[in-house]
Amino acid sequence: KAGVTQTPRYLIKTRGQQVTLSCSPISGHRSVSWYQQTPGQGLQFLFEYFSETQRNKGNFPGRFSGRQFSNSRSEMNVSTLELGDSALYLCASSLSTSNYGYTFGSGTRLTVV
Amino acid sequence: KNEVEQSPQNLTAQEGEFITINCSYSVGISALHWLQQHPGGGIVSLFMLSSGKKKHGRLIATINIQEKHSSLHITASHPRDSAVYICAVRPNTDKLIFGTGTRLQVFP
Repeated sequence: KAGVTQTPRYLIKTRGQQVTLSCSPISGHRSVSWYQQTPGQGLQFLFEYFSETQRNKGNFPGRFSGRQFSNSRSEMNVSTLELGDSALYLCASSLSTSNYGYTFGSGTRLTVV
Repeated sequence: KNEVEQSPQNLTAQEGEFITINCSYSVGISALHWLQQHPGGGIVSLFMLSSGKKKHGRLIATINIQEKHSSLHITASHPRDSAVYICAVRPNTDKLIFGTGTRLQVFP
């Protein structure tokens, strides 16, 4: 079966722009979570969605937002990009929100210049 | 102090050696995950544990809930095991918290 698909794989944006990243979960998985990975901070939780509802949110500014659609696909948006937003953005899907294994996508590498 | 501590940060081994990576955490959890990340970024989930021990091939993961400690063991290590191994815990608040990772290099 198809894995978790993240698009695009690579992205270069200019400071001040906004960006939308997409994540298609494994068929049947209803939970999607997003993570930011940087060399300095490591992996950090952004948010988690289940059945189109945000269940948890990490400690990120309001410029970071997301949503989940009825088919469980999820998008995250970052507005007013800053240089420090350059990172690998990973999403993961699971059957539900608690005590299920995760399947990760390959990530979107965002570079802000 | 980080809520999830991993040791060692870096590990070098010769092919065939037995490897142990440790993870200690300070919060109550509902599950602990071991993840593997290869260069290029892709992450693979190796284990999810809430108690006891799990084994998959040459990989073994154990957890001691009372001591808030988990270990990942690799038997008969191979160069293809070279990767970053990340411990992540799911506290009862449901947000995953990650350790900083252990970079493993296995030489032939």
